[in-house]
Amino acid sequence: GEDVEQSLFLSVREGDSSVINCTYTDSSSTYLYWYKQEPGAGLQLLTYIFSNMDMKQDQRLTVLLNKKDKHLSLRIADTQTGDSAIYFCAEGSGGSYIPTFGRGTSLIVHP
Amino acid sequence: KAGVTQTPRYLIKTRGQQVTLSCSPISGHRSVSWYQQTPGQGLQFLFEYFSETQRNKGNFPGRFSGRQFSNSRSEMNVSTLELGDSALYLCASSLGQGEGKGTYEQYFGPGTRLTVT
Repeated sequence: GEDVEQSLFLSVREGDSSVINCTYTDSSSTYLYWYKQEPGAGLQLLTYIFSNMDMKQDQRLTVLLNKKDKHLSLRIADTQTGDSAIYFCAEGSGGSYIPTFGRGTSLIVHP
Repeated sequence: KAGVTQTPRYLIKTRGQQVTLSCSPISGHRSVSWYQQTPGQGLQFLFEYFSETQRNKGNFPGRFSGRQFSNSRSEMNVSTLELGDSALYLCASSLGQGEGKGTYEQYFGPGTRLTVT
């Protein structure tokens, strides 16, 4: 079946930029999403990008999409300790109406 | 607009018992999906209901079942509980139809933390 891959951990220093990467296999993906999960909570939708876009910026968040390589990234500028969480990449395509989620990247921000 | 609500938030059950979890979706959302989240397996899709019908199903044993009511509220049932069923169970609602970004955009509840002893 279709797959979404993410690295499991990322550690950064407060104030630096964080870049979380994701690769997917479904070439028919139409929408790609980033979710954030804080400890003990559900997933929160952060942002999305449509497959005909290369980049989307939303305040401190920048999403880059390389459709040819099926590579998606989430850049968080000026990372804060409150950004420490698990970040999930998800892709939506086809008629199942269910997105496929990656395993999540645990972002640890050091003071 | 109220978010997705799940009840109860925490449950402790004994092996062999059964449990029912409840989820109320965002108003206007007709699709409800259920996920199991554990540290070892990550986020795993259980099933999805749309307009009272199970439309998609993950790879879980028949002990896991669900249903959806006419008001789109959904329940999930796990029978004959095993220790390995201890997990955070997440419910997500979405439009579940159409072609825009909202089709796949899921809104999650806070989850029900199930502990099986």
